[in-house]
Amino acid sequence: KAGVTQTPRYLIKTRGQQVTLSCSPISGHRSVSWYQQTPGQGLQFLFEYFSETQRNKGNFPGRFSGRQFSNSRSEMNVSTLELGDSALYLCASSARGRASYEQYFGPGTRLTVT
Amino acid sequence: QKEVEQNSGPLSVPEGAIASLNCTYSDRGSQSFFWYRQYSGKSPELIMFIYSNGDKEDGRFTAQLNKASQYVSLLIRDSQPSDSATYLCAVKGGGGADGLTFGKGTHLIIQP
Repeated sequence: KAGVTQTPRYLIKTRGQQVTLSCSPISGHRSVSWYQQTPGQGLQFLFEYFSETQRNKGNFPGRFSGRQFSNSRSEMNVSTLELGDSALYLCASSARGRASYEQYFGPGTRLTVT
Repeated sequence: QKEVEQNSGPLSVPEGAIASLNCTYSDRGSQSFFWYRQYSGKSPELIMFIYSNGDKEDGRFTAQLNKASQYVSLLIRDSQPSDSATYLCAVKGGGGADGLTFGKGTHLIIQP
């Protein structure tokens, strides 16, 4: 079974621009979560989508948004980029069953803001 | 604010020995607990999960959970140089209201 895929793998943007990242979950998984990983803050939860609806949201500003499509693929958007947004953005998929919450990560998108 | 604490290390263990990694969490309502392994430059890989008090074994890995003490541990038996990585502890709160809360990770070095 294919794993989680993320595109693009690397991205360089300029401060003030916006960016869209894409994630395709493991086949059959309906939940997609997004995380930001930086050396200083570690892995931080951004938001989770399930059945095209945002279910949970972490403590990030409104410049960070996302959506999920009917095929469970998800996109994440960051507007008005700041230097501090430079990070590894990770997408994780989960079957999100009642008794389990195991999440499987994609390879990540490395975003550099200059 | 929910917190997950791990000793950042590095933790150095001789090859063939048992590596013991520890994690404490602040949210007493937490229900699910996970260990991820992350190699440098790679994304986290799920290696163990545990939901009930006690031990759970999978191959060379054993996860231990003590909810009363709010403590989770990971034991790696017969440590191999390929086990050298950063190990991340993650916790899922109760009620399904949040994503995973991660610790900053413990850097493990297995010395040949």
